[in-house]
Amino acid sequence: DTAVSQTPKYLVTQMGNDKSIKCEQNLGHDTMYWYKQDSKKFLKIMFSYNNKELIINETVPNRFSPKSPDKAHLNLHINSLELGDSAVYFCASSQEGGLAVWETQYFGPGTRLLVL
Amino acid sequence: DQQVKQNSPSLSVQEGRISILNCDYTNSMFDYFLWYKKYPAEGPTFLISISSIKDKNEDGRFTVFLNKSAKHLSLHIVPSQPGDSAVYFCAAPTPGRGNQFYFGTGTSLTVIP
Repeated sequence: DTAVSQTPKYLVTQMGNDKSIKCEQNLGHDTMYWYKQDSKKFLKIMFSYNNKELIINETVPNRFSPKSPDKAHLNLHINSLELGDSAVYFCASSQEGGLAVWETQYFGPGTRLLVL
Repeated sequence: DQQVKQNSPSLSVQEGRISILNCDYTNSMFDYFLWYKKYPAEGPTFLISISSIKDKNEDGRFTVFLNKSAKHLSLHIVPSQPGDSAVYFCAAPTPGRGNQFYFGTGTSLTVIP
């Protein structure tokens, strides 16, 4: 009974393509996130989103856009893919409120994106 | 902008012994720290946290120590078990508006039976 799921697990694509990664959580959490883990293993937050507010890490290119059809889903759209976008992308969700946000953060298994 | 650093990419320990994983940070505004554990092909899972008002927090076999003056924290696992073999990340959110969340690069722990 997966708490946070992502599809696809692996994604290989050509430069310049547009792709999406889907994320779903069945925990009833209000806040969802996207993280990127690059080749140097840095895990960096890209977005946090709830039904009130989208918070974007200022270093994220505007080719990346989160889209939330409902509270349980936060999909990541990437336009004009570049070689440097190759990474593992993790979706996460958490409860709202204070420091519990981070302790209740559940991560998906990751999507391994390779741009050729 | 590596505000949280784990300088040891890997660590091997015999079963039953103590594992000590280290983490350093540069931002003196951090007031809360977390450790996450990650198995292959899975996302990180929360393990233990510590607030800057404390210097120690213990949860079963896991203890986190915080030395604010040195901007250093460590995770102790005693006794280490083979199931503890995983990658361990330390992390810290920016205080206040916590949309910025910094992870270290992780330390891969192998517990040898």
